[in-house]
Amino acid sequence: GQQLNQSPQSMFIQEGEDVSMNCTSSSIFNTWLWYKQDPGEGPVLLIALYKAGELTSNGRLTAQFGITRKDSFLNISASIPSDVGIYFCAGQWPGNTGKLIFGQGTTLQVKP
Amino acid sequence: NAGVTQTPKFQVLKTGQSMTLQCAQDMNHNSMYWYRQDPGMGLRLIYYSASEGTTDKGEVPNGYNVSRLNKREFSLRLESAAPSQTSVYFCASGTGPNYGYTFGSGTRLTVV
Repeated sequence: GQQLNQSPQSMFIQEGEDVSMNCTSSSIFNTWLWYKQDPGEGPVLLIALYKAGELTSNGRLTAQFGITRKDSFLNISASIPSDVGIYFCAGQWPGNTGKLIFGQGTTLQVKP
Repeated sequence: NAGVTQTPKFQVLKTGQSMTLQCAQDMNHNSMYWYRQDPGMGLRLIYYSASEGTTDKGEVPNGYNVSRLNKREFSLRLESAAPSQTSVYFCASGTGPNYGYTFGSGTRLTVV
């Protein structure tokens, strides 16, 4: 079935460093979404992207909708310990009745 | 500020037992979803309900049934639990995938 390939699978970084992760798909998407999951909780929406080429920021987070509509990336600048968690990309492709497909997740650990 | 409420939070079942996971949302959302989360697999859609009175299969529906009881409630039933159904189950609701979903905090199910 349809899959999103998210990379890297995990990252262990020093506090203050910048982080970059991305998602790719073999199909084009209408919408790209980025979620964060804290330990023991459900995912929470961080950023939503609706147009190819769109660049959107939310505080220290910046995400882009790829020109080809088959990829997206998320950057976190100046990481802090509370950035720890699992980050998921999700997409919704044309013609679908309303389902989102999720990537495998990127686990981020930040060393103080 | 309840959002999406899932019960129970934890459950241990013996192989062959049945149980129903409950989900309720108070945001007047039309769509509701059940996902399972397994390590390295991301979130996989089990069943969804685009509106009250309708349900459809997702990516991994085998071994599960659902009921959209009313606009607020969407339950997931395991008729005969198997160890392969050990997972974390998330319920979500939304007005449509383009606007993201609101997730519950999950049910951690272990089948022994």
